[in-house]
Amino acid sequence: GENVEQHPSTLSVQEGDSAVIKCTYSDSASNYFPWYKQELGKRPQLIIDIRSNVGEKKDQRIAVTLNKTAKHFSLHITETQPEDSAVYFCAAIPPFYGGSQGNLIFGKGTKLSVKP
Amino acid sequence: ETGVTQSPTHLIKTRGQQVTLRCSSQSGHNTVSWYQQALGQGPQFIFQYYREEENGRGNFPPRFSGLQFPNYSSELNVNALELDDSALYLCASSLFGNTEAFFGQGTRLTVV
Repeated sequence: GENVEQHPSTLSVQEGDSAVIKCTYSDSASNYFPWYKQELGKRPQLIIDIRSNVGEKKDQRIAVTLNKTAKHFSLHITETQPEDSAVYFCAAIPPFYGGSQGNLIFGKGTKLSVKP
Repeated sequence: ETGVTQSPTHLIKTRGQQVTLRCSSQSGHNTVSWYQQALGQGPQFIFQYYREEENGRGNFPPRFSGLQFPNYSSELNVNALELDDSALYLCASSLFGNTEAFFGQGTRLTVV
């Protein structure tokens, strides 16, 4: 089945710097890659996603890139702010097999700390 | 905020007991998925419900079971609780065939 690896596990940056989190996946047929932000004690929030027919997507300070050949995708946060501090999870959805809708397979998370 | 709500928010149970967790899906969504998130880990898929039937299951034993009701809300039942079942249980609601999933705030289960 699908396996998602996420790096780094912790990331500390100065306010205003950029942050990059990388994920790799194993099932080349996976076709949807969301990123979730989870603040301490709160629910995971969908912040951006990308589908396999797109190479890059941007939303203000956040961007995601996808390299299907290498089976990896990355989250880029520019001009980081203290409120960006949280745990970020990447995920992949394997294809729709046998009538079952693909479920989310998560990476282990990256704890991002933005220092003022 | 999403329209996905879970109850209760916190729960303490004794090993061997049974527990029921509840989830109300976002308006317009017909699919509910349940995830277990251990401390410091990513969520792990338990199962998904669509049209009141289980529609996919992760690597969890049969003592984890569920239901979906005609209004698309869902329950997660866990029998014979073990200490390792202590975790945050999240439900995610989506529209079948659409991959975007939105999470509830979770139920923190502690088994002692």
